[in-house]
Amino acid sequence: EVQLVESGGGLVQPGRSLKLSCAASGFTFSSFPMAWVRQAPKKGLEWVASISSGGGGTYYPDSVKGRFTISRDNAKSTLYLQMDSLRSEDTASYYCARHDGIIAAITPFDYWGQGVMVTVSS
Amino acid sequence: DVQMTQSPSNLAASPGESVSINCKASKSISKYLAWYQQKPGKANKLLIYSGSTLQSGTPSRFSGSGSGTDFTLTIRNLEPEDFGLYYCQQHNEYPFTFGSGTKLEIK
Repeated sequence: EVQLVESGGGLVQPGRSLKLSCAASGFTFSSFPMAWVRQAPKKGLEWVASISSGGGGTYYPDSVKGRFTISRDNAKSTLYLQMDSLRSEDTASYYCARHDGIIAAITPFDYWGQGVMVTVSS
Repeated sequence: DVQMTQSPSNLAASPGESVSINCKASKSISKYLAWYQQKPGKANKLLIYSGSTLQSGTPSRFSGSGSGTDFTLTIRNLEPEDFGLYYCQQHNEYPFTFGSGTKLEIK
């Protein structure tokens, strides 16, 4: 059974940093591109970052480019999201998701974690 | 960026009825449109991808249609477990973008 379990969320002050983790199990982690998707309270879904299976390719929307860094450790089956220079608008539940296929660019997200809350506030 | 316009925002229906949710892209995304279901306390579920391909485990009462800019999710013979939030997402190009969501409620 595919499982994605996020951790590392919490309350953080504006301008500070936070690192999220996603522990994956139930599949060959190193074979799949992975992603982070977030959802602000009472709002819709927003894609935050994707990473290729080997980690060599990373992709971001302009809203987080330069502030967020996605990475992975295939030996530990773990996905990460380093979030720097956090803003109040980054407050959201952050979901780890698996891309359904080899090529991240044209594949949807077939498995999702339950999410972890990040609150950016002074 | 490709803007996804989803309608309606809210929908009320009774078990056994059929409903349709629409999603319009601001430019052609070929066939690369996915539909997700979101329910409280559960992981988001991929229902359909590439416009009309049912994800493994998706009941056959769900169907997707469309290509280019206009897409539709149809749910026939609604079951109680079908009520929740539905999102469309284009997976044709970066940045991936989602529709604003449709809340499907019991009438």
